[in-house]
Amino acid sequence: KAGVTQTPRYLIKTRGQQVTLSCSPISGHRSVSWYQQTPGQGLQFLFEYFSETQRNKGNFPGRFSGRQFSNSRSEMNVSTLELGDSALYLCASSLRGGIGELFFGEGSRLTVL
Amino acid sequence: KQEVTQIPAALSVPEGENLVLNCSFTDSAIYNLQWFRQDPGKGLTSLLLIQSSQREQTSGRLNASLDKSSGRSTLYIAASQPGDSATYLCAVGGGGGGTSYGKLTFGQGTILTVHP
Repeated sequence: KAGVTQTPRYLIKTRGQQVTLSCSPISGHRSVSWYQQTPGQGLQFLFEYFSETQRNKGNFPGRFSGRQFSNSRSEMNVSTLELGDSALYLCASSLRGGIGELFFGEGSRLTVL
Repeated sequence: KQEVTQIPAALSVPEGENLVLNCSFTDSAIYNLQWFRQDPGKGLTSLLLIQSSQREQTSGRLNASLDKSSGRSTLYIAASQPGDSATYLCAVGGGGGGTSYGKLTFGQGTILTVHP
């Protein structure tokens, strides 16, 4: 059974650009959550989607957005990139509607120059 | 606001030792607690999930306990091996008010080094 798949694994952008990251959850999982991991702040929750609806959102600016498609795949977008957005972005999927066990992907490493 | 603290921040032990990693959280109104392992530059691997109604879970050489009323969990690793070297993260679901869907609150992790 395939795990959570995130693409791209690595990317480099410059300040002011935007980026889109993709996440394919485990087959049958309908909840997808996104997290940002940085050395200083650790792992922080961005948002959660279930059946194409955002049900929960963390304390991040509006430059961070996401969406979920009918096949449960999810994308997150960061606009007007800042140096501080450099991080590992992790996606997690859950079978129990977002309150059960979370399974994480390998992450997308974003570097903003 | 839920806050999670892990002690110690780093731990170095010789191979074969039994060890305990500690996790504490401020709001006991949780619905579960998960322990993860993270290797450098990698994603998170789920090790154990404890539901709020449970006291402990075991998987191989790993045993995790939960004392919800005191806001504490421990991860016990028996007979440690060099391959156990990684960062261990504790995360709680729920507590702190607000909506809990998909949201885990993580500790800062314990960096474990097991040397031969």
